[in-house]
Parts: sequence; structure tokens; C-alpha cells
Amino acid sequence: AQKVTQAQTEISVVEKEDVTLDCVYETRDTTYYLFWYKQPPSGELVFLIRRNSFDEQNEISGRYSWNFQKSTSSFNFTITASQVVDSAVYFCALTNSSWVTGGGNKLTFGTGTQLKVEL
Amino acid sequence: NAGVTQTPKFQVLKTGQSMTLQCAQDMNHEYMSWYRQDPGMGLRLIHYSVGAGITDQGEVPNGYNVSRSTTEDFPLRLLSAAPSQTSVYFCASRLRDFTDTQYFGPGTRLTVL
Repeated sequence: AQKVTQAQTEISVVEKEDVTLDCVYETRDTTYYLFWYKQPPSGELVFLIRRNSFDEQNEISGRYSWNFQKSTSSFNFTITASQVVDSAVYFCALTNSSWVTGGGNKLTFGTGTQLKVEL
Repeated sequence: NAGVTQTPKFQVLKTGQSMTLQCAQDMNHEYMSWYRQDPGMGLRLIHYSVGAGITDQGEVPNGYNVSRSTTEDFPLRLLSAAPSQTSVYFCASRLRDFTDTQYFGPGTRLTVL
């Protein structure tokens, strides 16, 4: 079984603040992939990052950074110097090598974190 | 590449009506899937396909049918719409394996009255 938990339902920050979105996952597999997607108010789902279970290096892309820690089964996402355009729902997702009934190698999503960045 | 396209963008149905949500991708992806998004529940898998002619059920398949006659197209059919099917529907595709990134269409917002 696999599960993704995003305990923060909604976060509000003021522009230029740093913000971290938490993601905790559960899987029995040793080979798995983690993803973050952004859903802006327009509704589409935008892929942000993919990370495999064998690569624990943190990744930075501009103001975005991701911290992957296998020891705590977490894959947290930090936005530095947040901007109003970062306002969106952010989803963490997990897939692994196990083939399950009712999903195959499905992508399991967390329930999302709504981020509101205000001026 | 247009990526993953979906039509229509919005749709209103009456209870009992049927309709087909269209999905197409031009990336030669083998794996395609349909999700529904409901408030507070994230995205849930309805049906998926690992290639032309092969489909299988996801977590919430009841009330929906799919077919995959070509690599490019993966339509989702609502057989007899119910208010519980009011949702936002996303089609997605990935090249093949679970290691590949899944890309999403723009979504269809469906309301069943």
C-alpha cells in the first residue's frame, strides 16, 4: 500500500516570506518516485519535480527547493521569497514498482496544500 | 507538441444523460489515465490504459467506461450521469513506466444536475 500525507490544508504568507510545504509518504517498496505538481487558480496541473528513491540529494531550482529525507519518509518543498504568483494548490505524489489491483503502477496523490501569498 | 488535450472544458448534464469526455496526446505515450478531483480528496484514479487495446479499472471506476483503440486517444464515457459525478476530470499520460513523469491535460469541469 502507498499513501501520501499533506497535513497542511492551507498556508497563508506575506509576499517575500519563505514557506515550506510538507509531504510525508508511505510505501513498502525500495524503488519509488516522488513528484510535486502545482495547480494554479486556472486549474491545470503543472509538473514541478520528480525524484527517485535512490537520490537523496536536495534540489534547487530558482526560488524552489526540495528536501528529500528517506529516514523520515518526507519530501518537503520550500519556496524562498514567495510571490503572489506562487498562490496555488500544491500536490505531492508517489509511484512505485508494485503493481496493485485497481491501479497498476498508479500515481498516488496527497490531498494538496493551498498556498496563499498576499501582498 | 500539444501535449495532453481534453474536450470539453466545461459541461453541464442532467441526471441520466450520457456523454464522452475526450482525451488525446501526441507524445506517443503508452500509459494514459483518467482522474477525478474532488474537494479535500486529491486526485483519484478512475481508469487507466497501458497501451492500445488494454484498459483496467482504477480506484473509482463505477459509472465510467473507457476504451483505447489508438495510442493517441483515451475517451471516458459516463453511462448515466449522477450528481455524485460532479467533479473536475483530468486525463494524464506518461511514456511507459512508473519511473516516467505523468503529464496532465487542462481538465474538464463537469456538473450533473
